[in-house]
Amino acid sequence: DADVTQTPRNRITKTGKRIMLECSQTKGHDRMYWYRQDPGLGLRLIYYSFDVKDINKGEISDGYSVSRQAQAKFSLSLESAIPNQTALYFCATSDGTWSSYNEQFFGPGTRLTVL
Amino acid sequence: GNSVTQMEGPVTLSEEAFLTINCTYTATGYPSLFWYVQYPGEGLQLLLKATKADDKGSNKGFEATYRKETTSFHLEKGSVQVSDSAVYFCALSDPQAGTALIFGKGTTLSVSS
Repeated sequence: DADVTQTPRNRITKTGKRIMLECSQTKGHDRMYWYRQDPGLGLRLIYYSFDVKDINKGEISDGYSVSRQAQAKFSLSLESAIPNQTALYFCATSDGTWSSYNEQFFGPGTRLTVL
Repeated sequence: GNSVTQMEGPVTLSEEAFLTINCTYTATGYPSLFWYVQYPGEGLQLLLKATKADDKGSNKGFEATYRKETTSFHLEKGSVQVSDSAVYFCALSDPQAGTALIFGKGTTLSVSS
């Protein structure tokens, strides 16, 4: 089984709808991240969480919210989806120790289309 | 602030050609450097890493050397294969910044037989 899983893998929704993307991990890592990938722009950080009680905004958090329900689960919500949020979304984890040098482990991605 | 700049693609090569993908960085501290690879339809996988100056990371025939004097971490492979076709991302992690990885924009490599 994959260490970092994301659901759904693909989603098509309409403008104005609320949508939640879910991420689960079995690596036992404290740190979890949500990134967005757009063609030609690389990956940009939306939110990150260093533990259940610590959630931080990333570079492009506007229009998104997150919930860290447990060490293993980190959800990303779009309260009112808009077409320019059409992108590939990745969840990642890291153990945060100095010896790991912040190496991150990625889920397979969720392709979101907002019509 | 910290940033990563990598060469724009796409890079198109014939099988067995030599590959170089340039990556330079700006960092205030002493970052660790990474190359991630994304195969079609998949998530990112760590390809190699280097955690201090002059370290060489290597994996699957790919190599990159952490050059502090030129703030570079160029990816090289002596003989590419069709299966190497993917998007390659250079990234840095600055422990002092306490945030997530900072990625370059990615370079698409296409290898034909």
